[in-house]
Amino acid sequence: ETGVTQTPRHLVMGMTNKKSLKCEQHLGHNAMYWYKQSAKKPLELMFVYNFKEQTENNSVPSRFSPECPNSSHLFLHLHTLQPEDSALYLCASSPNGGTGATNEKLFFGSGTQLSVL
Amino acid sequence: GENVEQHPSTLSVQEGDSAVIKCTYSDSASNYFPWYKQELGKGPQLIIDIRSNVGEKKDQRIAVTLNKTAKHFSLHITETQPEDSAVYFCAASSWGSARQLTFGSGTQLTVLP
Repeated sequence: ETGVTQTPRHLVMGMTNKKSLKCEQHLGHNAMYWYKQSAKKPLELMFVYNFKEQTENNSVPSRFSPECPNSSHLFLHLHTLQPEDSALYLCASSPNGGTGATNEKLFFGSGTQLSVL
Repeated sequence: GENVEQHPSTLSVQEGDSAVIKCTYSDSASNYFPWYKQELGKGPQLIIDIRSNVGEKKDQRIAVTLNKTAKHFSLHITETQPEDSAVYFCAASSWGSARQLTFGSGTQLTVLP
């Protein structure tokens, strides 16, 4: 158990649905991340939040909408997704995601396996 | 930006043998190199990391070597066991910042009994 919990573990949705992924960390960290993991590809960083403020958005389509109400919770709201968005979505946290952070270790959740039909 | 290449994509070894996974990076400013292990159904977990001022680091059966001149680093696992079977990812970042980590595409290691 890494201290980062993601729900749901699996999600199947149609292209017109709206759903949300949830992440909660119990490590007292200040930074939280969303990554996309597709088969045989490097992990792709999507969003970074540091002290609840979004500090990184890697040109992610607007059909993905993150929300970070506090340093312990992170959501990813999904709407009108495409089949190519099917992937494992990983949440992670680190002690401090700011520019001054060094040797930052990421703690990942187990992910949400998303299938878009 | 940084580009990290990882080889091989799949690796099978007999139990007890050694396994080596290699990564190259492009940005000479990178100075922090972690390795993550991802078991089936789980998220990646950090297993070892190295900074650019160190050439080698060991932790029991796992070691990482770094060649800054050639811009490559490797993961070495000795006396492999079935529980070492997983996907291994290398990564690189400048300033050690997690949000600047660039990952390799992963190596599926299978340890055959």
